[in-house]
Amino acid sequence: GAGVSQSPSNKVTEKGKDVELRCDPISGHTALYWYRQSLGQGLEFLIYFQGNSAPDKSGLPSDRFSAERTGGSVSTLTIQRTQQEDSAVYLCASSPQSSGINEQYFGPGTRLTVT
Amino acid sequence: AQSVTQLGSHVSVSEGALVLLRCNYSSSVPPYLFWYVQYPNQGLQLLLKYTSAATLVKGINGFEAEFKKSETSFHLTKPSAHMSDAAEYFCAVSDDYQLTFGKGTKLSVIP
Repeated sequence: GAGVSQSPSNKVTEKGKDVELRCDPISGHTALYWYRQSLGQGLEFLIYFQGNSAPDKSGLPSDRFSAERTGGSVSTLTIQRTQQEDSAVYLCASSPQSSGINEQYFGPGTRLTVT
Repeated sequence: AQSVTQLGSHVSVSEGALVLLRCNYSSSVPPYLFWYVQYPNQGLQLLLKYTSAATLVKGINGFEAEFKKSETSFHLTKPSAHMSDAAEYFCAVSDDYQLTFGKGTKLSVIP
């Protein structure tokens, strides 16, 4: 079946612009996660959605970052007023439910470059 | 708080040699432990996971890992390296839903 998909695969933007990154999880997966992968920080948790519950936003690095999940499926991560330190690969993952025992299935990522 | 330490950011082995990638964890509760592999320009793929059913866990592509509570370790091994094993490997711990990753170990396989 189809895996997690993300778009765009690459995004180059100028400092100060807003960007939107999209994630389509595996159909039927109720949990969705965003992570950021950068050279200096490794893989960092950003935000977690589970069904209709309030998301866990504890990993968002600043208030310039926000995310939403519409209809319990597609998710969009928005970065406002991008800075050079936002350059990274943004990975989305989904799992059948939120238990830590469950494998998270990762998408290919969006590589964001802020110039 | 939970954390993962991967010893060695880069490991090189000869083709056919033993692969050993080290992972130590810190967790206040019995952990769920994972090894993921990332090939260039791709997302993460699960190799194996420990969920307390058995201490020796077998995964895909001939990899296995042993959970040792006394050593708080979950090292990844493969008896014989193949060129296709060249990738970056991440150990991760989860106590609820959030994965906490180690810094990763890049494996090079020398022909």
